[in-house]
Amino acid sequence: AQTVTQSQPEMSVQEAETVTLSCTYDTSENNYYLFWYKQPPSRQMILVIRQEAYKQQNATENRFSVNFQKAAKSFSLKISDSQLGDTAMYFCAFMKAAGNKLTFGGGTRVLVKP
Amino acid sequence: ETGVTQSPTHLIKTRGQQVTLRCSSQSGHNTVSWYQQALGQGPQFIFQYYREEENGRGNFPPRFSGLQFPNYSSELNVNALELDDSALYLCASSLGGTGPPNIQYFGAGTRLSVL
Repeated sequence: AQTVTQSQPEMSVQEAETVTLSCTYDTSENNYYLFWYKQPPSRQMILVIRQEAYKQQNATENRFSVNFQKAAKSFSLKISDSQLGDTAMYFCAFMKAAGNKLTFGGGTRVLVKP
Repeated sequence: ETGVTQSPTHLIKTRGQQVTLRCSSQSGHNTVSWYQQALGQGPQFIFQYYREEENGRGNFPPRFSGLQFPNYSSELNVNALELDDSALYLCASSLGGTGPPNIQYFGAGTRLSVL
């Protein structure tokens, strides 16, 4: 079974600064996908970024980028130029390449301060 | 907005009752997954429906059951409600089939409180 661990329950950052969220996972699979989802107070889970394990290049999406270290089973998210609207819970998630379910970590609450 | 809608938004039930939650998937999607998110935790996979058939199930008892309809909308039914069933129930739709798994798009959830 796969497990996903987010060791930071809460992070705060000043507006316009950078924050990095940690995620580690455990799997015996070689092919899989990793995701970061954002859940604002509205509760709707929104996809932030996706990484395919077979791609060595780290995914980027505007102000969001990841540092994917396959050997270390680490998948961190960097939010650059933080905005007030980035305040939310952030979840790291894993899916096997031939799988159908997302396995989520426990989440990190990000608070962007003006 | 993801195009995935869930109803109702909030629900209060008493222990032992039965509940039905509904989900309308995004246009063009044929797969619906259900997740339970307890307060302060990450979502946990309940089950998935692909083209009206169950396509995988998490570690939930049989009193959690589901349906998917020809228009790919879905229902989650929970019988004999327990206090621990109080949670946010999330539905996610995706386009399933051959090839790599597609992105799951989530609805805003149904908050169930069991008293």
